[in-house]
Amino acid sequence: NAGVTQTPKFRVLKTGQSMTLLCAQDMNHEYMYWYRQDPGMGLRLIHYSVGEGTTAKGEVPDGYNVSRLKKQNFLLGLESAAPSQTSVYFCASSYKHRGSTDTQYFGPGTRLTVL
Amino acid sequence: AQKITQTQPGMFVQEKEAVTLDCTYDTSDPSYGLFWYKQPSSGEMIFLIYQGSYDQQNATEGRYSLNFQKARKSANLVISASQLGDSAMYFCAMREGPGGGADGLTFGKGTHLIIQP
Repeated sequence: NAGVTQTPKFRVLKTGQSMTLLCAQDMNHEYMYWYRQDPGMGLRLIHYSVGEGTTAKGEVPDGYNVSRLKKQNFLLGLESAAPSQTSVYFCASSYKHRGSTDTQYFGPGTRLTVL
Repeated sequence: AQKITQTQPGMFVQEKEAVTLDCTYDTSDPSYGLFWYKQPSSGEMIFLIYQGSYDQQNATEGRYSLNFQKARKSANLVISASQLGDSAMYFCAMREGPGGGADGLTFGKGTHLIIQP
């Protein structure tokens, strides 16, 4: 099992450009998440999904869109990149468990720089 | 107010010593979960240990244990017999609610642990 994978690993964009980050998981997890990590900060939730075709906003959703057309994939889009979106982006997934650990497993991250 | 507070930005510890990384949390929800993750210099987030708010015993996973003091709202990570490979950033995180929903985690700012030979 590959677990959670993310593509690309690195990307440099110019202000105003668009791009899509792809997250894939092979653990049959129901839930998927996108976080961003800025220097000196913990991770902050951007968007999440409870299942195919369903997405919701997290703590810092502005400037991002997401889609989950297949259970195993979760896409994060930047329509018009801004320097403030320079960050490391992590995707995570978890089972739909209640009353027990619902550990989120993370991908390796995508380092995005917006010039 | 911060929901997760990690008061130690950085720590230096001698190899083979035990390490305690502090974490305090703030929530009014009676059901919650607490997680610790390790982030080595390579950047990935590695799950270490979980503690549920209703768990009677402190969680343990190998050399990791969680010192859960519910009344004080603290969930300190203890690493026994530290190793050079333990050098990394460590994040405490909380899930509010009983779980089962797609609840995002709230993270602290992390502690940078350096193990010295």
